[in-house]
Amino acid sequence: DQQVKQNSPSLSVQEGRISILNCDYTNSMFDYFLWYKKYPAEGPTFLISISSIKDKNEDGRFTVFLNKSAKHLSLHIVPSQPGDSAVYFCAASGMNRDDKIIFGKGTRLHILP
Amino acid sequence: GAGVSQSPRYKVAKRGQDVALRCDPISGHVSLFWYQQALGQGPEFLTYFQNEAQLDKSGLPSDRFFAERPEGSVSTLKIQRTQQEDSAVYLCASRSQPGQNTDTQYFGPGTRLTVL
Repeated sequence: DQQVKQNSPSLSVQEGRISILNCDYTNSMFDYFLWYKKYPAEGPTFLISISSIKDKNEDGRFTVFLNKSAKHLSLHIVPSQPGDSAVYFCAASGMNRDDKIIFGKGTRLHILP
Repeated sequence: GAGVSQSPRYKVAKRGQDVALRCDPISGHVSLFWYQQALGQGPEFLTYFQNEAQLDKSGLPSDRFFAERPEGSVSTLKIQRTQQEDSAVYLCASRSQPGQNTDTQYFGPGTRLTVL
């Protein structure tokens, strides 16, 4: 049973436009959410996070939005750049008690020239 | 080096062989995690250490999997009598503080295990 779901296996976006990656979760006990980025043959790299007390967190070109009532979060990248082509993993965990991070299956983002 | 390192990067084993995968976390990091990433899937939690103590091994798929971190730094994941379904990338991650999920987990490059 997938607790963190990324329903789009891949996404193609024109360079310079906005990339929107979506993620849904089922466990209402999650209160911390993360996005990781992964290039081939490398480990995942932390990108941005958000706690459940917020609905938005922004870091440069990256913004994560959280809709707790819908159990949905999204990552916005604007403007998209060629180096953003990678696999993006949505992940979730408890804040303090539970050290496990539960990952989604990932979305492969292609930035088109 | 400054990051998490793992060795070997690639391992091919015949079914039934034992393998040992090594993780060198970032120096001084208290928490260490092992994940298994099957093809087309996200990383799945295997086990967690706080210093030398293995606090959570609920993700280990069978008793063929064993992990240790005897001196609280380097960790080894051992898989006995490997099976084809063990083929995956094994990722190690470390974090500076225990119980602080707001601190970033830093991942190594992984070991790709192929069992023939």
